[in-house]
Amino acid sequence: GAGVSQSPSNKVTEKGKDVELRCDPISGHTALYWYRQSLGQGLEFLIYFQGNSAPDKSGLPSDRFSAERTGGSVSTLTIQRTQQEDSAVYLCASSRDRGNSPLHFGNGTRLTVT
Amino acid sequence: QQQVKQSPQSLIVQKGGISIINCAYENTAFDYFPWYQQFPGKGPALLIAIRPDVSEKKEGRFTISFNKSAKQFSLHIMDSQPGDSATYFCAATYVGYSTLTFGKGTMLLVSP
Repeated sequence: GAGVSQSPSNKVTEKGKDVELRCDPISGHTALYWYRQSLGQGLEFLIYFQGNSAPDKSGLPSDRFSAERTGGSVSTLTIQRTQQEDSAVYLCASSRDRGNSPLHFGNGTRLTVT
Repeated sequence: QQQVKQSPQSLIVQKGGISIINCAYENTAFDYFPWYQQFPGKGPALLIAIRPDVSEKKEGRFTISFNKSAKQFSLHIMDSQPGDSATYFCAATYVGYSTLTFGKGTMLLVSP
């Protein structure tokens, strides 16, 4: 079956511009996560959506970062006024439900801010 | 505060050798410890996971060893193969909290 799909796969933007990253989770998965992967920094949690509950935004590094999930499916991560330190791979994952169901990751969006 | 510390950062092992990656955690509430494997250009994928009610779990050539008193767990890859070359992440979480806390990863290279 189809896995988690992320688009675009690569994004180059100029400092100060806004970017939107998209995630299509696996159908039927109620939980959706965004992580950021920087060189040598591992996987940094950003935000978590579960069903219709309020999202856990505790990992968002600044108010320039926001995310939404429409209709319990597709999610968009928006970064406003991008900075060079935002350059990283942004990974989306979904899982069947909350708890310890395995996370299924997409292949990520590589963001480069010049 | 880094709650899961992973070592080493990188590891080179000869084909057929044993690869060992270690993780230590701080939060005693953690009760689920998965390992994820990531190949270049791909997202991480679940490899194997353990709960603290057992001290060891084995799946094929991959084994997790768990030491609750020391708050440590490790991944052993027996008979390492070049195809095992990847980045490995340990992680932890606890019942009622879905978000995984990941270690910083170990880049494993298995030389032919």
